[in-house]
Amino acid sequence: KAGVTQTPRYLIKTRGQQVTLSCSPISGHRSVSWYQQTPGQGLQFLFEYFSETQRNKGNFPGRFSGRQFSNSRSEMNVSTLELGDSALYLCASSFRTGDHFIYGYTFGSGTRLTVV
Amino acid sequence: AQRVTQPEKLLSVFKGAPVELKCNYSYSGSPELFWYVQYSRQRLQLLLRHISRESIKGFTADLNKGETSFHLKKPFAQEEDSAMYYCALDEATASKLTFGTGTRLQVTL
Repeated sequence: KAGVTQTPRYLIKTRGQQVTLSCSPISGHRSVSWYQQTPGQGLQFLFEYFSETQRNKGNFPGRFSGRQFSNSRSEMNVSTLELGDSALYLCASSFRTGDHFIYGYTFGSGTRLTVV
Repeated sequence: AQRVTQPEKLLSVFKGAPVELKCNYSYSGSPELFWYVQYSRQRLQLLLRHISRESIKGFTADLNKGETSFHLKKPFAQEEDSAMYYCALDEATASKLTFGTGTRLQVTL
């Protein structure tokens, strides 16, 4: 069973630019969530999508957005990049039926974004 | 708001010694708790869920609702246990993990 795939693995962008990161969940997983990992703030929740709908959002500015497609693949977008956006962005997929949580979250390897 | 506290940034033990990584949580509802591990240059991996009450790689963790704790334990540390360990809480009806700041376990000979 293929794991969670994130592309690209590395990105270098300039301040002010925008970036799009992609995540393909495990087949059959309809929930995709995104996290930012930095040395200073640790792992912080960005947002979660289920069946193309954003169900939950963390405390990040509106520059951070996302979407999910009908095949459950998800993208996150960061506009007007700032130096502080440099981080490892992790995607996780999980399988739920209604309120029942079947397995733990499975994480991808992440996309390391460097803003210069 | 929910919170997960891991008081130790670094825990250094000798091979064969017992290990206890501490985790305390704050949550008004019924939490689902996890331990995740991140080995060097590898992705974050699920180690344990409190609901499954299983032992993985010799590690166990018991949820103590009275003390709001979910400490991770292993009776005899191995070198390959050296990694970053994160305790995480999932709200009952939301797919949203709140992580602790992590504890780096260093097992030395």
